[in-house]
Amino acid sequence: DSGVTQTPKHLITATGQRVTLRCSPRSGDLSVYWYQQSLDQGLQFLIQYYNGEERAKGNILERFSAQQFPDLHSELNLSSLELGDSALYFCASSVEPSVGETQYFGPGTRLLVL
Amino acid sequence: GENVEQHPSTLSVQEGDSAVIKCTYSDSASNYFPWYKQELGKGPQLIIDIRSNVGEKKDQRIAVTLNKTAKHFSLHITETQPEDSAVYFCAHGDFSGGYNKLIFGAGTRLAVHP
Repeated sequence: DSGVTQTPKHLITATGQRVTLRCSPRSGDLSVYWYQQSLDQGLQFLIQYYNGEERAKGNILERFSAQQFPDLHSELNLSSLELGDSALYFCASSVEPSVGETQYFGPGTRLLVL
Repeated sequence: GENVEQHPSTLSVQEGDSAVIKCTYSDSASNYFPWYKQELGKGPQLIIDIRSNVGEKKDQRIAVTLNKTAKHFSLHITETQPEDSAVYFCAHGDFSGGYNKLIFGAGTRLAVHP
């Protein structure tokens, strides 16, 4: 158990819908990262937050957005869902965004868009 | 220049043999190289990492080597056991600029047969 929690574990929804994925980082970690894992794209970095502020963006679609709240939990919002958005979404956390800070991954949310 | 190539994509070994997975990256600014193990239904778990000022690091049966000139790094698992069976991901990160962004390889599915 990494100490990172993600809810829900599974999510089934329809195209065009909007969903929210939630992540609670390890106690003491200030930085949260979101990754998407699909069969054809592997693990792709989406976005990073540090202490409530966006720090880095990766291959995140404009239909997707995220935020980190004052209690440091984070939410990833996916809207206008398409079939291709079906994937595993992982949240990771680290103490700081410094060199060599280990990123601890949560168990993931499996999203299926029908 | 952020891609990382990982080989092989699948690896099958007999229990007790060694396993080697190799990765090549292109971003010369990369300075952190972690390896993650992902078991079925779980999130990636860090197993070992190396920084750019170190050429080799060992932790029991696991070792990682880094050749920064050639821009490649490798994972070595000795005396493999069935519980080593999983998908292994290499990654590299660039933390200059204050953000902690990891770029992952496509993964190697390791099967250790008793």
